[in-house]
Amino acid sequence: DVKVTQSSRYLVKRTGEKVFLECVQDMDHENMFWYRQDPGLGLRLIYFSYDVKMKEKGDIPEGYSVSREKKERFSLILESASTNQTSMYLCASRGPFSYSGNTIYFGEGSWLTVV
Amino acid sequence: AQSVTQPDIHITVSEGASLELRCNYSYGATPYLFWYVQSPGQGLQLLLKYFSGDTLVQGIKGFEAEFKRSQSSFNLRKPSVHWSDAAEYFCAGAGGQGNLIFGKGTKLSVKP
Repeated sequence: DVKVTQSSRYLVKRTGEKVFLECVQDMDHENMFWYRQDPGLGLRLIYFSYDVKMKEKGDIPEGYSVSREKKERFSLILESASTNQTSMYLCASRGPFSYSGNTIYFGEGSWLTVV
Repeated sequence: AQSVTQPDIHITVSEGASLELRCNYSYGATPYLFWYVQSPGQGLQLLLKYFSGDTLVQGIKGFEAEFKRSQSSFNLRKPSVHWSDAAEYFCAGAGGQGNLIFGKGTKLSVKP
């Protein structure tokens, strides 16, 4: 079975703190994604990575960075958390086009509250 | 630009009634389209997907969707809704970077 694991489901952080959200997939997928989900806005792409140490900005990268040191792990970093980054964060992964038919698999989400 | 639109923010249906959730897309070529479901506090689960071929696609949990190029639509249907179907439903299309472009979601409530 496909598995994307987000280690922290619920976090509360203070303004200005550095925050790490971790995501691990066990499918040997090249492509990994971080989305942010807000009511009424749907899911918006923050960053994605198509290979180890490679990253591309999505639609809303400001205030975020990412790290992909190993194929199975993709981390989202908030360098200095702000209250407007309170949200649900979803990690996802996908194999090459011919492997999985372009299906993207999601983790369970990480609820981040910045106070 | 590629986009996916879900016109209905919230729909309420009675248990046992039929369901249709609307999705419209704006793509130049044949899009790859998906429907996901999200239960409260959970991640997204894939219901079904369309890549090519038969325009009527069957998914899990008794859902189906029909791709209509002439109407730029990919509506999700279920003949008889169960209370456990209450959730938020997202239509999505494959983006040029291999990501997904999501609609804003439709929240489904089910009346007993």
